[in-house]
Amino acid sequence: NAGVTQTPKFQVLKTGQSMTLQCAQDMNHEYMSWYRQDPGMGLRLIHYSVGAGITDQGEVPNGYNVSRSTTEDFPLRLLSAAPSQTSVYFCASSYSRWNTGELFFGEGSRLTVL
Amino acid sequence: ELKVEQNPLFLSMQEGKNYTIYCNYSTTSDRLYWYRQDPGKSLESLFVLLSNGAVKQEGRLMASLDTKARLSTLHITAAVHDLSATYFCAVDKDSGAGSYQLTFGKGTKLSVIP
Repeated sequence: NAGVTQTPKFQVLKTGQSMTLQCAQDMNHEYMSWYRQDPGMGLRLIHYSVGAGITDQGEVPNGYNVSRSTTEDFPLRLLSAAPSQTSVYFCASSYSRWNTGELFFGEGSRLTVL
Repeated sequence: ELKVEQNPLFLSMQEGKNYTIYCNYSTTSDRLYWYRQDPGKSLESLFVLLSNGAVKQEGRLMASLDTKARLSTLHITAAVHDLSATYFCAVDKDSGAGSYQLTFGKGTKLSVIP
């Protein structure tokens, strides 16, 4: 099993550009989520999904869009990148909340917006 | 709004010494997680604590949860250099089955020096 796979690992964008961060998991996990990590801020939840076709907002959803068409994939879209979105983005998945709820993280995607 | 506070945020300790990292949170929850992050790397799950009084141990690390005090501790025994990392606690805003929404502390950066 590859676990949680994120691509790309590094990306530089100009203000106003759009892009999609990809996330895929091969563990048949119901739950997937996106967090951003900024220095001194810990991790903050952007969006999450409890299953295919179901998504919801987390703590900091503005400027981001998500969809979940399959159990395996949960892409994060930046529609018009801003410098404030410079961050490290982590995708995480979990088997089920009826289990331990333990999150398994991808390797992260480092995004710089100029 | 759930708040999670860790202290200290920075910890420099000598090899062989003991120390405790504290995680306080503001809501009633019995679902708490500890993660480790090495520089530039992903987050690795250390402990899952799912009930009042839960205690888990792995090597030189021991975690406990007191839901009445809304407090978890991560105790380090006889620190070694390999434990140098940033440690995060995370709390699920809902007890019982959980919500999938974790709030993270800002992290404790631990440096173990010879």
